[in-house]
Amino acid sequence: AQSVTQLGSHVSVSEGALVLLRCNYSSSVPPYLFWYVQYPNQGLQLLLKYTTGATLVKGINGFEAEFKKSETSFHLTKPSAHMSDAAEYFCAVSYSGGYQKVTFGTGTKLQVIP
Amino acid sequence: DGGITQSPKYLFRKEGQNVTLSCEQNLNHDAMYWYRQDPGQGLRLIYYSQIVNDFQKGDIAEGYSVSREKKESFPLTVTSAQKNPTAFYLCASKSAGESTDTQYFGPGTRLTVL
Repeated sequence: AQSVTQLGSHVSVSEGALVLLRCNYSSSVPPYLFWYVQYPNQGLQLLLKYTTGATLVKGINGFEAEFKKSETSFHLTKPSAHMSDAAEYFCAVSYSGGYQKVTFGTGTKLQVIP
Repeated sequence: DGGITQSPKYLFRKEGQNVTLSCEQNLNHDAMYWYRQDPGQGLRLIYYSQIVNDFQKGDIAEGYSVSREKKESFPLTVTSAQKNPTAFYLCASKSAGESTDTQYFGPGTRLTVL
């Protein structure tokens, strides 16, 4: 079985400060990992994903995430927060084969303080 | 433009009534999904379909039903058996070829039971 844990349902940062959103996964097979962003009353949009190869993954809007197998983590970072980054962020995991099923974390709401 | 449409955006239902949520995609994707989103619980999988005329129950299928008669369409019916149907419902699709492929989400339908 696969699962995802996002630490912190709410995170507040000042504009211009580092953004760090935490995600840990549990999977018995090599995982594929995703970060999605959701703005209020909208669907989800992919920020970035890790499949294989380079463990540091760069995504849209200046976000990046690093896959650390030893820590079973895939934390999302951005060096400098912008007001437009205020949204809810979801980490998700899937794996090769199976039923194309994707398991999502419970989400982290990011507040950016001017 | 290719994408996923969901209708209606807002839906109100009286207790005891069945209601059907529409999901259409023109991305030529084989796999389609329905998720339910509640505050603090992330996305929970209701049903998914990898191919026309085939679908599988997700984690919270009780009180819901689906059909997949066409590749482009995956309607979700919320039946009167669903005890707490008020939620935000998201439809998604992806290519069924690889688990690494990105899920694309519709804008969602907010269902409120009066």
